[in-house]
Amino acid sequence: AQKITQTQPGMFVQEKEAVTLDCTYDTSDPSYGLFWYKQPSSGEMIFLIYQGSYDQQNATEGRYSLNFQKARKSANLVISASQLGDSAMYFCAMRPNQAGTALIFGKGTTLSVSS
Amino acid sequence: DTAVSQTPKYLVTQMGNDKSIKCEQNLGHDTMYWYKQDSKKFLKIMFSYNNKELIINETVPNRFSPKSPDKAHLNLHINSLELGDSAVYFCASSIRANTEAFFGQGTRLTVV
Repeated sequence: AQKITQTQPGMFVQEKEAVTLDCTYDTSDPSYGLFWYKQPSSGEMIFLIYQGSYDQQNATEGRYSLNFQKARKSANLVISASQLGDSAMYFCAMRPNQAGTALIFGKGTTLSVSS
Repeated sequence: DTAVSQTPKYLVTQMGNDKSIKCEQNLGHDTMYWYKQDSKKFLKIMFSYNNKELIINETVPNRFSPKSPDKAHLNLHINSLELGDSAVYFCASSIRANTEAFFGQGTRLTVV
């Protein structure tokens, strides 16, 4: 069975600093995708970044990068130069690359950015 | 233009009532989903449809029934609402299995 673990319930960072949000996963599927979503206090779910299990390079999207370590089954999100607007809940998710599957989410990490 | 839209955004209703939440996506995606986010913010898949065909049906009380009239719409009907059904329900869609899902803004259901 697939499982996503986010061990940090809350993280605190100052503006302009970088922060890493941890995510480990467990799956027996050889091909899968890893995703990060942001949920601000307004409640919507915003897609941030995707990493395929066979991708050789770590994914990057602007200030977001995904530190993918396949052997360790980890997919940490790195946010560089934090901004106040980054304060939100962040969810790591995974899905096998096959039809009939859906995203499986971790429990989330609340990030608080202070000035 | 909103990509995935759900109505209503808020729904307050009494126990025992029947209610529906509607979802529409204009992204041309083949697959749509319903997720439930509980009070601890945990998100769990409930149902998924691919081109109007039910492909995921998790362990959900049969009071919950999804309906997909076409691949752009996925509605959720809930019968005999219970206090424990209070949650935020998200609709989402994706092109295919290994791509990101785009979420609607959520429907906060409160059963009193």
